[in-house]
Amino acid sequence: GENVEQHPSTLSVQEGDSAVIKCTYSDSASNYFPWYKQELGKRPQLIIDIRSNVGEKKDQRIAVTLNKTAKHFSLHITETQPEDSAVYFCAATLGGASKLTFGTGTRLQVTL
Amino acid sequence: GAGVSQTPSNKVTEKGKYVELRCDPISGHTALYWYRQSLGQGPEFLIYFQGTGAADDSGLPNDRFFAVRPEGSVSTLKIQRTERGDSAVYLCASSLNPFNSTGELFFGEGSRLTVL
Repeated sequence: GENVEQHPSTLSVQEGDSAVIKCTYSDSASNYFPWYKQELGKRPQLIIDIRSNVGEKKDQRIAVTLNKTAKHFSLHITETQPEDSAVYFCAATLGGASKLTFGTGTRLQVTL
Repeated sequence: GAGVSQTPSNKVTEKGKYVELRCDPISGHTALYWYRQSLGQGPEFLIYFQGTGAADDSGLPNDRFFAVRPEGSVSTLKIQRTERGDSAVYLCASSLNPFNSTGELFFGEGSRLTVL
């Protein structure tokens, strides 16, 4: 089955700096890659996603890039703010009715 | 309801007891998923329903775990003879219709299970 690896496990940046989180996946047939943000004690919430027919997608301060050849995708957050502090999970799926396989998460801390 | 609702939010039980966790998905969402999240880990897939049927139960760890969705809406995750290793947050998620396109998963707040 699909295996998703994520790093770093923790990331601390100063407010205003950029943060990058990287994931790799194992199944070349995977075609949908969402990112979820989970604040402490809260539910995971989708922040951005990308499909395999696209190399990059941007939404305000958040962007995701996908390299299908290398089977890795990354989340980029620019101009970080304290409210960006949370755990971020990447995930991959074959699409359709297939399950999402999540990475182990990255705890992002944005310091003042 | 407005979102995915899970009850109870917290459940403390003793080893060997039987537990039921309930999920009420967003109205109209045909797909329903159960995930388990241990401390410091990502959500781990357990089972997926499309309508009333379990389309994929490959994530259930053993036969102590069972889930139903008899009317295609509310789902119940059942755990028999609980063990301390079952302690985790059990997340339910629903999606509008994953068949034609992979839709966003909407998660509930989770049920925190503690087995003493």
